[in-house]
Amino acid sequence: QLQVQESGPGLVKPSETLSLTCSVSGGSISSSSYYWGWIRQPPGKGLEWIGSIFYSGNTYYNPSLKSRVTISVDTSKNQFSVRLSSVTAADTAVYYCARHAAASTNWFDPWGQGTLVSVSS
Amino acid sequence: QSVLTQPPSASGTPGQRVTISCSGSSSNIGTNSVNWYQQLPGTAPKLLIYSNNQRPSGVPDRFSGSKSGASASLAISGLQSEDEADYYCAGWDDSLNGLVFGGGTKLTVL
Repeated sequence: QLQVQESGPGLVKPSETLSLTCSVSGGSISSSSYYWGWIRQPPGKGLEWIGSIFYSGNTYYNPSLKSRVTISVDTSKNQFSVRLSSVTAADTAVYYCARHAAASTNWFDPWGQGTLVSVSS
Repeated sequence: QSVLTQPPSASGTPGQRVTISCSGSSSNIGTNSVNWYQQLPGTAPKLLIYSNNQRPSGVPDRFSGSKSGASASLAISGLQSEDEADYYCAGWDDSLNGLVFGGGTKLTVL
């Protein structure tokens, strides 16, 4: 069945750029039915949608993060990535990737196991 | 402050029926479908209910969702100890032009 898995550095310095990649297995990222999304969860807090991308490269972002976020896709590797610039301690969180049914239903499934990214000098 | 409002906590005893509410507005729940996620301790969220009241394959029928106006509810019947988790509602908000989550409800099975 379809699986997604996050990877990337677990520690990023303040003011630098956080970069994570999500690898999709058991299915094609080029499906015309789904977007692919990033969601984060600060320690002990709730979930926040970061943004989503279609295989064609079409993206949409959380307006509160839009100025700092870039999501890209590499269909040849069946991967998509997120970059978050100018990070601060407030960006410390578990970052999840997930398949996103973005039409009218907007559900995420499945989710990756998540990766903790800490912002600290 | 989340756009979708959930009670921070809920509780019940084994076998009981509990409900968790999710209150929104005309720009989100009032217009768009609601999804619910279950997050067991130390794990990633899992889709529990989609499109207001649909269960993905493998989700027990003890879990049900409903929506009325700008509010939605998740009901869990025959409560079990393994249902102890955080539950989140989510949906699209037309005014914010973004996807929003509720603040989450921590369910304790007494």
